[in-house]
Amino acid sequence: DIQMTQSPSTLSASVGDRVTITCRASQSISSWLAWYQQKPGKAPRLLIYKESSLQSGVPSRFSGSGSGTEFTLTISSLQPDDFATYYCQQYDSYPWTFGQGTKVEIK
Amino acid sequence: EVQLVQSGAEVKKPGESLKISCKGSRYSFSNYWIGWVRQMPGKGLEWMGIIYPGDSDSRYSPSFQGHVTFSADKSINTAYLQWSSLKASDTAMYYCARRNPLSDAFDIWGQGTMVTVSP
Repeated sequence: DIQMTQSPSTLSASVGDRVTITCRASQSISSWLAWYQQKPGKAPRLLIYKESSLQSGVPSRFSGSGSGTEFTLTISSLQPDDFATYYCQQYDSYPWTFGQGTKVEIK
Repeated sequence: EVQLVQSGAEVKKPGESLKISCKGSRYSFSNYWIGWVRQMPGKGLEWMGIIYPGDSDSRYSPSFQGHVTFSADKSINTAYLQWSSLKASDTAMYYCARRNPLSDAFDIWGQGTMVTVSP
């Protein structure tokens, strides 16, 4: 199985901050990477697919980059609605796997 | 609005069987893979596997193979996740999600079904 490792596990930030979350794959996954946002008690929401494509309806402050084994999710200016947990997921090969999550907290 | 609606919360005893459902609406259900994702209390997301309702072709994560079964009834736009013998460690929230063929990612998610297994 391909292992996905996110860092950091927890991130404390303020409204307006630029935030970056990293996801590393144990082997190359090309650009087959998605990012999801999950709020407490809610289902995950797709933010980014194919490493850098923005899902319809997602604010442009979210962006994704990277390729191969290292990827980043960037929030250019953190908004109150963005405090949540973020997961990366590879879909290069079965079984698809998720990172362990990064919780973005209010500083 | 395209949506997936899951069946309600369940409370079961160890050893009991269970089948939960995920019903799609406002899209061609047969032509989109449906995935299942587990989230244990306070933990992260785990990919369980995926099924194609058109022909019930399935892929299972090795972590779940042999313990759960996926099925689908395309005539009623519904996918199922079932257990023949539940364990306490199956206590979790279970989500179904649609794989979008353009993005290949899970673009639509069900609201989740909470399964509690307790003596």
